[in-house]
Amino acid sequence: QVQLQESGPGLVKPSETLSLTCAVSGGSISTSSYSWGWLRQPPGKGLEWIGSMFYRGSINYNPSLNSRVSISVDASKNQCSLKLTSVTAADTAMYYCARLAGSGHFQHWGQGTLVTVSS
Amino acid sequence: DIQMTQSPSTLSASVGDRVTITCRASQSISSWLAWYQQKPGKAPKLLIYKASTLESGVPSRFSGSGSGTEFTLTISSLQPDDFATYYCQQYNTYSTFGGGTKVEIK
Repeated sequence: QVQLQESGPGLVKPSETLSLTCAVSGGSISTSSYSWGWLRQPPGKGLEWIGSMFYRGSINYNPSLNSRVSISVDASKNQCSLKLTSVTAADTAMYYCARLAGSGHFQHWGQGTLVTVSS
Repeated sequence: DIQMTQSPSTLSASVGDRVTITCRASQSISSWLAWYQQKPGKAPKLLIYKASTLESGVPSRFSGSGSGTEFTLTISSLQPDDFATYYCQQYNTYSTFGGGTKVEIK
């Protein structure tokens, strides 16, 4: 059974770059037919999709974050990464990585990592 | 952008009740809709995808229906473990989630 584990700084200063990694175990991140995504959830609020990297190599980002976000995969480390630039307090959230199945539903989720943006 | 509207935002019910949650899309998404259950402090859990396909291991009391712009999640007989927040997600064009429906004890 695949397991995902997010990690990264829990506190980021405004205007800086948020960088998170998602370690994948129980399967290869390079396995064809699987895609990987990042989502977030501000405290007490709903879910927001950040972006997805599809197994064919294409990447989609949430248009509201497109200019600030990048997602990449490091097959040698079996991990997926998220970078979000120029963060503000509005970026404070629980950040989740997830494995997509089929056409875009999120089948497996990490436990999440809380990131707070504050000086 | 495709907007997803869930109703109700909160639902009070008792064990054994039949519960229905509605999700409406601002434009047609065919059947590209998933439902998730989230409990406090936990990651969401996939329940249903492609509008009506039950994820492996999910109890059969959960069912989904709909296509186009109107979708429903039904719990046929609410169990104590089902008190949680439920989200719909469209993945026809990028991805968007509904605002959530909290199912609480009546």
